[in-house]
Parts: sequence; C-alpha cells; structure tokens
Amino acid sequence: DAGVIQSPRHEVTEMGQEVTLRCKPISGHNSLFWYRQTMMRGLELLIYFNNNVPIDDSGMPEDRFSAKMPNASFSTLKIQPSEPRDSAVYFCASSQAGFTSTDTQYFGPGTRLTVL
Amino acid sequence: KQEVTQIPAALSVPEGENLVLNCSFTDSAIYNLQWFRQDPGKGLTSLLLIQSSQREQTSGRLNASLDKSSGRSTLYIAASQPGDSATYLCAVCAGFGNEKLTFGTGTRLTIIP
Repeated sequence: DAGVIQSPRHEVTEMGQEVTLRCKPISGHNSLFWYRQTMMRGLELLIYFNNNVPIDDSGMPEDRFSAKMPNASFSTLKIQPSEPRDSAVYFCASSQAGFTSTDTQYFGPGTRLTVL
Repeated sequence: KQEVTQIPAALSVPEGENLVLNCSFTDSAIYNLQWFRQDPGKGLTSLLLIQSSQREQTSGRLNASLDKSSGRSTLYIAASQPGDSATYLCAVCAGFGNEKLTFGTGTRLTIIP
C-alpha cells in the first residue's frame, strides 16, 4: 500500500486566500484524522471522521476551517480566508477502527502551509 | 482535560548507551497509550501501543511501560544507534469508541556517534 497520501506537500499563499489540503487514506481504513503541528502548540487534533461522518470537530479552531469526507478514499481540509497564524504542518492520518484497542493511526507526510 | 507532558524536551547520548524517555498524563482513564517516532520533515510512525490493561510492550530494542495509576509511561531504548535520532512523541487515547489522541510535545533525541 502507498500509505496515506497528502497533497500538496508545500503550500505558500497570501493572507486572505483560500487554501485546500487533500488527503487519501489507506484503502480499507474507516477512520480519518486531521492534525496541525506547530512549534508553540505541538500536535493537535482538528477533526476526525469515522465511516465518512465527522465524529469530533472540537479541535477546529474557528469557522474559517472546514473539513469534508465525501467518500472513503478522499478528504479535504479548507481554510478560508487564511491568516498568517494558520502557518503550520497539517497531517492527515487514518486507521482501521474496530473493537480492539490495537488500532494505531498511520500518518501521511504532511503539508507545510505558509501564509504570508 | 487530558494533558500529556514529556521531559526532557531534548536529550543527547553517546552511541551504544541505553536510555529512557518519559511521558506523564493527568487523566488515568485512558484506553491505550502509544509511542510514535517523527523524523525531520516527515510524518509520525507508530512504534508501540500499550493497551490500558497491559504493563509493557516490546519491539526489538524498544520497550514501553505503562503505569496508569501514576499516569506515567516510559520508552526504553537499548544499545542506542545514530539511526535512533528523531523526535519521540507519546499519545494517549481517550476511550473505546473515541479515537482521539492527545499528544505530548515530544523529546528530541540525538545519538552521538
């Protein structure tokens, strides 16, 4: 398997522009997670989906952030409008959730976002 | 609210030494605890997962322990190698049916050849 695929790997944009990050989870996984990593705050969960349904979006910082999972093989995280404080590395992860406690999460390589 | 702390933030040791990384968490009602490795510019890779009912897990030169009652976990690395240089993060899972992970801020490990 190719693992979790994220695109783009790097994104540089100007304040106020819309940014869309994309993720393809590992085939067969039914849970998908979006994380943000910064030096100041570390790694934070933004939102996670199970069977394409958002389960916990309590980490989404504000209304400028939105995430969708239209099908089992694709998810997007959108920021509109973007601000300099959104600069971070955004990770997508997926897992095969089940009735055991051995379901680790597999991370993609991340998208480094810079908002000027 | 669960808080996960890792001390120290950075650690340097000579090659060949054994070492221990520490992780503490404030809420002992966890489902499992995981240790991840992150290389510069890369995503996270899972190393070990300890279920709440377990005391330890081993994989090769790595051994992770869990003491739920005291809110502590350790990652023991035996016979360290330069390839072990990376940032190590621990994360706790809130509970069955809730896959949310709360991460520590990590320990940046450097193995000196």
